[in-house]
Amino acid sequence: EAEVAQSPRYKITEKSQAVAFWCDPISGHATLYWYRQILGQGPELLVQFQDESVVDDSQLPKDRFSAERLKGVDSTLKIQPAELGDSAMYLCASRTITGGLTEAFFGQGTRLTVV
Amino acid sequence: AQRVTQPEKLLSVFKGAPVELKCNYSYSGSPELFWYVQYSRQRLQLLLRHISRESIKGFTADLNKGETSFHLKKPFAQEEDSAMYYCAPGRNTGKLIFGQGTTLQVKP
Repeated sequence: EAEVAQSPRYKITEKSQAVAFWCDPISGHATLYWYRQILGQGPELLVQFQDESVVDDSQLPKDRFSAERLKGVDSTLKIQPAELGDSAMYLCASRTITGGLTEAFFGQGTRLTVV
Repeated sequence: AQRVTQPEKLLSVFKGAPVELKCNYSYSGSPELFWYVQYSRQRLQLLLRHISRESIKGFTADLNKGETSFHLKKPFAQEEDSAMYYCAPGRNTGKLIFGQGTTLQVKP
């Protein structure tokens, strides 16, 4: 069964360093999401891609976060510089088409700890 | 602004008791509504969607447009239902947001 792949599973980084996360969606899924989930809270949408285009990044802290999906397939989320408050689980999800009844499939996430 | 509220952080019931997890939303237009679930050490996954009017694992959810609610219900809770439940309104643009979640704890 196809799954959304994320790496690394865990990342520890020092404050002010750069960090990057990678996501490989299910093949053929045009829509890709990045979410941040702080412990005890629900997932917060950071960015939504449709193919290689950003559809929504209204909640992405653009002074330090960037996201790309160059060929409309896999995606990278970067934080530079990392801050202590960025410690969270970063989830990637993909979906076949925009809107409709389609299910969003989630990866296992990358747990980031900033020290 | 789009907003979804799950008022209970924790709901604890005994096995066999009825369960209702509340969800209220504030959304312009007609959102698509979903419930997602996360079992211990597993990925977040879809439980059910409102338009299908389906029952999954004994759970149902009714959309009440007047009250803007989409509560999740099950008549008889099972221990294996213990998990984190998220209400998630979506838009036809594909935007999908999540509530803060409710932890359901079913005691034996």
